[in-house]
Amino acid sequence: AQSVTQLGSHVSVSEGALVLLRCNYSSSVPPYLFWYVQYPNQGLQLLLKYTSAATLVKGINGFEAEFKKSETSFHLTKPSAHMSDAAEYFCAVSEPFGNEKLTFGTGTRLTIIP
Amino acid sequence: DAGVTQSPTHLIKTRGQQVTLRCSPISGHKSVSWYQQVLGQGPQFIFQYYEKEERGRGNFPDRFSARQFPNYSSELNVNALLLGDSALYLCASSLWTSGGVYEQYFGPGTRLTVT
Repeated sequence: AQSVTQLGSHVSVSEGALVLLRCNYSSSVPPYLFWYVQYPNQGLQLLLKYTSAATLVKGINGFEAEFKKSETSFHLTKPSAHMSDAAEYFCAVSEPFGNEKLTFGTGTRLTIIP
Repeated sequence: DAGVTQSPTHLIKTRGQQVTLRCSPISGHKSVSWYQQVLGQGPQFIFQYYEKEERGRGNFPDRFSARQFPNYSSELNVNALLLGDSALYLCASSLWTSGGVYEQYFGPGTRLTVT
């Protein structure tokens, strides 16, 4: 069975500082990995995805993530936080070969300090 | 282009009642998935339908059922509602990408409150 662990349910960073949100996965097969963002009272928006091509993945809004097989990690980073980045972030995993079920982590709430 | 739409936005029901939630996928998307997001947790997979056939089912009781119509819209039904069914119900429609993976687009959700 696949699973995702997000370390830190709440993360606070100052505006302009580095954002680092952690995600570790467990999967018996090479996984597909995703980061989604959820703003208050809204659905989920895809930030970026890893599908076994380049290990460093660039997404929208200046976010990127690096797939590290040896560490079973897929941490999300952004060099300089903006106030508009305040939201809930979810890491998710799915199996390849067309299986659509996403298994989500419990989420990390990102707060930006002015 | 219109995104995934869901109705109603909010719903309040009493324990024991039945509820039907509706989802319209993005035009051209043939796959619809349903997720339940309890407050403070990540979404949990309930169902996936592709061209009117069930392709996947999560670990939910038989009180939960769904169907997909010829126009690819979908309904999620929950019978005999329990307090624990209170959650945000998310619908996602899928598009196959060149990378060989489905890219899921989520709707805004239906907030269900059971009293």
